[in-house]
Amino acid sequence: DVKVTQSSRYLVKRTGEKVFLECVQDMDHENMFWYRQDPGLGLRLIYFSYDVKMKEKGDIPEGYSVSREKKERFSLILESASTNQTSMYLCASSTPLRETQYFGPGTRLLVL
Amino acid sequence: SQKIEQNSEALNIQEGKTATLTCNYTNYSPAYLQWYRQDPGRGPVFLLLIRENEKEKRKERLKVTFDTTLKQSLFHITASQPADSATYLCALDLRQAGTALIFGKGTTLSVSS
Repeated sequence: DVKVTQSSRYLVKRTGEKVFLECVQDMDHENMFWYRQDPGLGLRLIYFSYDVKMKEKGDIPEGYSVSREKKERFSLILESASTNQTSMYLCASSTPLRETQYFGPGTRLLVL
Repeated sequence: SQKIEQNSEALNIQEGKTATLTCNYTNYSPAYLQWYRQDPGRGPVFLLLIRENEKEKRKERLKVTFDTTLKQSLFHITASQPADSATYLCALDLRQAGTALIFGKGTTLSVSS
């Protein structure tokens, strides 16, 4: 059974903190993605990666960075968390053919 | 400008009826179109994929059509059940290097018994 796991389901952080969101997939997928989802705005792509150590900016990369040191792990970093980064963060993975994206359960982040 | 739109934010229907959800797009030429289901507080789950050279795809009670001339996909759930209540997302796949799926904002379907 395919699996994408995210390090936390809920997270509360203070403004200015550095935040790490971890995503691990066990399907040996090349492609991995980070999205945020907000009411009325839908899913918005932050960053994606097609291979280890590779990254591509999505639609809203400002205030975020990513790291992909191993194929199975894709980390999203909020360098200095701000209240407007309060959101649901979703990680996904897919094969190079991209015919199906597998999503993790999401991390609901609250920045106070 | 490029846009992907799902026709309504919310759709309410009675159990047993057919639910029809619409996905329209402009200024894109997707090679594939995908549909996902998302339950509250969970990640989306893949349902169906349809290619540009396919008119229709079925899976159990689900049917998807893809009209590249109208730039529209229709997603049907026949004999709907309360358990079908969820948000349904369409996504375009341009099949171009360096691009990812482009998601619509979703339609929330409520099926009442």
